[in-house]
Amino acid sequence: ETGVTQTPRHLVMGMTNKKSLKCEQHLGHNAMYWYKQSAKKPLELMFVYNFKEQTENNSVPSRFSPECPNSSHLFLHLHTLQPEDSALYLCASSQDGAEYGYTFGSGTRLTVV
Amino acid sequence: LAKTTQPISMDSYEGQEVNITCSHNNIATNDYITWYQQFPSQGPRFIIQGYKTKVTNEVASLFIPADRKSSTLSLPRVSLSDTAVYYCLVGDNGQNFVFGPGTRLSVLP
Repeated sequence: ETGVTQTPRHLVMGMTNKKSLKCEQHLGHNAMYWYKQSAKKPLELMFVYNFKEQTENNSVPSRFSPECPNSSHLFLHLHTLQPEDSALYLCASSQDGAEYGYTFGSGTRLTVV
Repeated sequence: LAKTTQPISMDSYEGQEVNITCSHNNIATNDYITWYQQFPSQGPRFIIQGYKTKVTNEVASLFIPADRKSSTLSLPRVSLSDTAVYYCLVGDNGQNFVFGPGTRLSVLP
């Protein structure tokens, strides 16, 4: 247990479904991140939130919609995804930016069928 | 963002010391060097972080020369469970880390 909890661990969804990924951190960190990791590829930074405000959106398609209601919770809303969106989605948190290291959750393995 | 270069893969045997070197020629004055370990289908795990000289914790050592243009992660007496991907990242406070492909370490019996 890293202190960053992601649910669900596995998700299979159709291309017309709407689902949400949840991330919760119990570390008192002020920054939270969504990363995508496709098979045999490096982690790709998707979104960054600092003190609930989105500070980074790395040209992510609008079918991915993040939400950060408070500094402990982060959601990734998914709709009309494509099979190529199948990947491991990782949430991370940090305090005062990345200088002191990220703490990652175990990820959600998403399969789009 | 400072770019890093590290070997794509390495093989080692149980009980050996493993050294993984990372190049970061354009590291900035405020940048720290951080290493992560990732097992399949899990999130990366923080291993060690340093700014200069040598840092040691219960898991690894990090050697950083005076010019800081490279760093070496040293894993003492590796075991099969150390088989993982190791990432080297540089960045400063508030800067978002960009992960490269990392080094895939295979520890053989």
